[in-house]
Amino acid sequence: QVQLQESGPGLVKPSQTLSLTCTVSGDSISSDGYYWSWIRQHPEKGLEWIGYLYDSGSTHYNPSLRSRLTISVDTSKNQFSLKLSSVTAADTAVYYCARGMYDYSGSADAFDIWGQGAMVTVS
Amino acid sequence: DIQMTQSPSTLSASVGDRVTITCRASQSVVTWLAWYQQKPGKAPKLLIYKASSLQSEVPSRFSGTGSGTDFTLTISSLQPDDFATYFCQQYRFYPFTFGPGTKVDI
Repeated sequence: QVQLQESGPGLVKPSQTLSLTCTVSGDSISSDGYYWSWIRQHPEKGLEWIGYLYDSGSTHYNPSLRSRLTISVDTSKNQFSLKLSSVTAADTAVYYCARGMYDYSGSADAFDIWGQGAMVTVS
Repeated sequence: DIQMTQSPSTLSASVGDRVTITCRASQSVVTWLAWYQQKPGKAPKLLIYKASSLQSEVPSRFSGTGSGTDFTLTISSLQPDDFATYFCQQYRFYPFTFGPGTKVDI
């Protein structure tokens, strides 16, 4: 079955760039019908959508993070990545990668598969 | 941004109870709404999409209703495995936004 796995440093210094990679197994990241997203959860708090990647390179970003955010894909490795620059303590969170579905009309639908999450602390 | 609210924030229930959680959007999201279950230390799990469509392999005791701004998640007979936090999420508008969660405890 399809699985997602986040990887990257668990500790990042303030003002530096947070980098995470999501490795997709069990299916090709180029498969039709899906988009690939990053979502984070601050400690003991709710979920925040960061952005997503689709069509092997196009992106939608959360405006609140857009100026600091890059989401990219490496189809040869079946991976997609998150880079968030100029981090502060407010970026401390568990970062999830997730697969989103498209419905029959091609509209983005819910996140059906999630990675286990990666805790990143900015300190 | 679309603001999502949930009520109650915490719900105490017993095995076998019928449980209803409410989610409200600050403007109409039609039926572009999902429900997720999250257990401590785990990733969220999709339960319901398009407001009322049951995700594959999710038990039929879970159901979702609603459209526009008001939605409900119902667990018809609470099981021990259902004690968790439940989030709604709208995906009609960017940025996608989540509700603050409803914790269901014993």
